[in-house]
Amino acid sequence: DIVMTQSPDSLAVSLGERATINCKSSQSVLYSSNNKNYLAWYQQKPGQPPKLLIYWASTRESGVPDRFSGSGSGTDFTLTISSLQAEDVAVYYCQQYYTTEITFGPGTKVDIK
Amino acid sequence: QVHLVQSGAEVKKPGASVKVSCKASGYTFSAYYMHWVRQAPGQGLEWMGWINPNSGGTKYAQKFQGRVTMTRDTSISTAYMDLNRLTSDDTAVYYCARGSNSSWYSSFDIWGQGTMVTVSS
Repeated sequence: DIVMTQSPDSLAVSLGERATINCKSSQSVLYSSNNKNYLAWYQQKPGQPPKLLIYWASTRESGVPDRFSGSGSGTDFTLTISSLQAEDVAVYYCQQYYTTEITFGPGTKVDIK
Repeated sequence: QVHLVQSGAEVKKPGASVKVSCKASGYTFSAYYMHWVRQAPGQGLEWMGWINPNSGGTKYAQKFQGRVTMTRDTSISTAYMDLNRLTSDDTAVYYCARGSNSSWYSSFDIWGQGTMVTVSS
């Protein structure tokens, strides 16, 4: 199985400041034949199901604010919130869908400083 | 509007089985894979498997092989997840989630509201 790790476990950022979350996969999730990274990011607020933010590592889901962006390739990925808003307080998960055993990272909790 | 509506909370005894339903609306049910994901209290997300609603084909996570069965009824656009031999470790919120495209290797763009399953003697 591909093991997903995230760092940090949690972070607190001032309103309007940048938040950066890292995700690392134990093997590459880049499919060479189409040059796509099989990596997604989700946001989960308390008591709610996860919400898809980013897929193919850097494609923003429809309706997601453009302050959310994804980058990276191969085994190292980043989710950036360019200007943190109060409504962005949540846990963020990365997910690989490269292998038949789909796996998630352990999550990163984002709070306001 | 695309929606997934799941069945209500369940309380089960150890050793019992639970069947959770997920009714889809607003899209062609058979065109998108349906995945099941669970989340134990205070924990992260754990993928359990998928079903291809068109063919009925399934793929289960190794951890749940032999204990989980995913089925569907295309006439009512509903997917089901059946988990047996329950233990307290199966206490969790169970989600259905639609695959974002017509293949199994996809992100999950629509999620059900979740079904809390509590296993307690």
